[in-house]
Amino acid sequence: DQQVKQNSPSLSVQEGRISILNCDYTNSMFDYFLWYKKYPAEGPTFLISISSIKDKNEDGRFTVFLNKSAKHLSLHIVPSQPGDSAVYFCAASGDSYGKLTFGQGTILTVHP
Amino acid sequence: DAGVTQSPTHLIKTRGQQVTLRCSPKSGHDTVSWYQQALGQGPQFIFQYYEEEERQRGNFPDRFSGHQFPNYSSELNVNALLLGDSALYLCASSLGGTRTDTQYFGPGTRLTVL
Repeated sequence: DQQVKQNSPSLSVQEGRISILNCDYTNSMFDYFLWYKKYPAEGPTFLISISSIKDKNEDGRFTVFLNKSAKHLSLHIVPSQPGDSAVYFCAASGDSYGKLTFGQGTILTVHP
Repeated sequence: DAGVTQSPTHLIKTRGQQVTLRCSPKSGHDTVSWYQQALGQGPQFIFQYYEEEERQRGNFPDRFSGHQFPNYSSELNVNALLLGDSALYLCASSLGGTRTDTQYFGPGTRLTVL
């Protein structure tokens, strides 16, 4: 049972344009959501998070949007840079101790 | 400030063997979580250690066990290895281990079971 889904295995974007990565979840108990970025041979790196009491959170070029009624969140990267090319994982948590449930990941490629 | 470190980087074992993976958390962190990442999948939670006790466990069999030492470092042990145990094993550390505490991941140990 895949509780967190990233339905797009890959995304290709031109440098300077917007990248939009999507994530859907099914578990209503999830109330904290995160995005991680992963380069080859490295561990996932935390990017940005959002609590269910908010619908938007910004950090520089990165913005996460949460639509609780649709059980959907998205990560916007503006403007996209070649260094953003990586695998992006959406993750969710619904308990006190921070157990993370991850999606399958989306490979983002930003072309110069 | 050293981040999360894991050893070894790569490991090759045969079916039925046992393996121990090691993790040193980020300086100041007291909570360690372990994840298994199969090829093409996202990381899957194995368990979390806090104050030398297993505080939470994911859907993994008892062949997977762990330990946390007084210095907060941790080990993951897998007994009776199966081909399906081949994966990248990630360790993550945090301070306090609540859901809003950011988890910092190590580079992982790549385990191959032949």
